[in-house]
Amino acid sequence: NAGVTQTPKFQVLKTGQSMTLQCAQDMNHNSMYWYRQDPGMGLRLIYYSASEGTTDKGEVPNGYNVSRLNKREFSLRLESAAPSQTSVYFCASRPGPAHRYGYTFGSGTRLTVV
Amino acid sequence: QQQVKQSPQSLIVQKGGISIINCAYENTAFDYFPWYQQFPGKGPALLIAIRPDVSEKKEGRFTISFNKSAKQFSLHIMDSQPGDSATYFCAASEGGSEKLVFGKGTKLTVNP
Repeated sequence: NAGVTQTPKFQVLKTGQSMTLQCAQDMNHNSMYWYRQDPGMGLRLIYYSASEGTTDKGEVPNGYNVSRLNKREFSLRLESAAPSQTSVYFCASRPGPAHRYGYTFGSGTRLTVV
Repeated sequence: QQQVKQSPQSLIVQKGGISIINCAYENTAFDYFPWYQQFPGKGPALLIAIRPDVSEKKEGRFTISFNKSAKQFSLHIMDSQPGDSATYFCAASEGGSEKLVFGKGTKLTVNP
């Protein structure tokens, strides 16, 4: 099925551990995004990639790094996880900056840092 | 600084009633206003969107009303159904920007 695929769906980390959240889309979209969702906070942009080879910071980038591996894949890395990074992470994509269309979201990765 | 303020945080409506969720913004450069619907355990999905050159957009039971002078927009769900129970997010973006700014969400419960 066409869409945005995120892996893993659930993850528990210990403080200080590192991990990479994977995201892939098969819609030939140019732009990809990582958001985090916390209770009562809505969705906050962590990083985005307007096109292959470019990445930019969003609203809450501290503690994260990203890689736009190719047009399909956009990964989010936590180098040293902290309890404050416990959240649900969503990857999204859209055709490109010239397209005023909504995002297509993945189903999320629920991360707990203990 | 919250760029898009959404209210209420939660809303309980009886089946068949009208659900109304409101959003307000400050940035007059915003020119695209989507609403997203999110069911538990799922990612948000685009429900309906409006641009500021129209005051209302309707798709089935869902209507966006837009008031440019007041910098407010709202989602109306007519004949609300239990299947509409979800969290709704308003959002906004400005031309040329990659960033979509979200409200904090409204949890809607429609009782049978």
